[in-house]
Amino acid sequence: QKEVEQDPGPLSVPEGAIVSLNCTYSNSAFQYFMWYRQYSRKGPELLMYTYSSGNKEDGRFTAQVDKSSKYISLFIRDSQPSDSATYLCAKPPRGGSYIPTFGRGTSLIVHP
Amino acid sequence: DTGVSQNPRHKITKRGQNVTFRCDPISEHNRLYWYRQTLGQGPEFLTYFQNEAQLEKSRLLSDRFSAERPKGSFSTLEIQRTEQGDSAMYLCASSLDSPNEQFFGPGTRLTVL
Repeated sequence: QKEVEQDPGPLSVPEGAIVSLNCTYSNSAFQYFMWYRQYSRKGPELLMYTYSSGNKEDGRFTAQVDKSSKYISLFIRDSQPSDSATYLCAKPPRGGSYIPTFGRGTSLIVHP
Repeated sequence: DTGVSQNPRHKITKRGQNVTFRCDPISEHNRLYWYRQTLGQGPEFLTYFQNEAQLEKSRLLSDRFSAERPKGSFSTLEIQRTEQGDSAMYLCASSLDSPNEQFFGPGTRLTVL
């Protein structure tokens, strides 16, 4: 079992919808995770951190961690066609490694 | 544009040939990472440099793959005797202090015929 799991989608929603993107994780040791966004034919870019201690909000984006169910969520309000991308969750390095581990990503399509 | 550049952007080669990719990180970043990404998958770690030292390599990295960062600035990734399974996007990223805040380049798309 991978340490971070995501449904690959695609998730298709109309413009203006509230989007919920989710990851599950298997190791309870982590206190925070990251969300990256990857547009087609581009490298990923860091979107935001999400901490197990509460929600993190940044504009139309809200990230949260549910430790009891080991669920990481990213919500997008008032979704726009420009939000169409693949969203990757990632866990930080551990055990002497310097490398975060990425999920496979969920493809989001917001249609006008 | 994140400031990380990769060249070439696309490479088509025949099986058995050697290829080399270059990555120029953001100038003040001392950490440099190489990843491979295939369709529908997240970035898969290949190797990591801190300055010129190669500190971590994936156990999945075949001995046909080698990477260098000779002066702690740009890096090269070489694949010898390419195979069709090497076809993928090769991503380079750099960071300053935190491995969690990586800046990715646009990638080099390799197609092995």
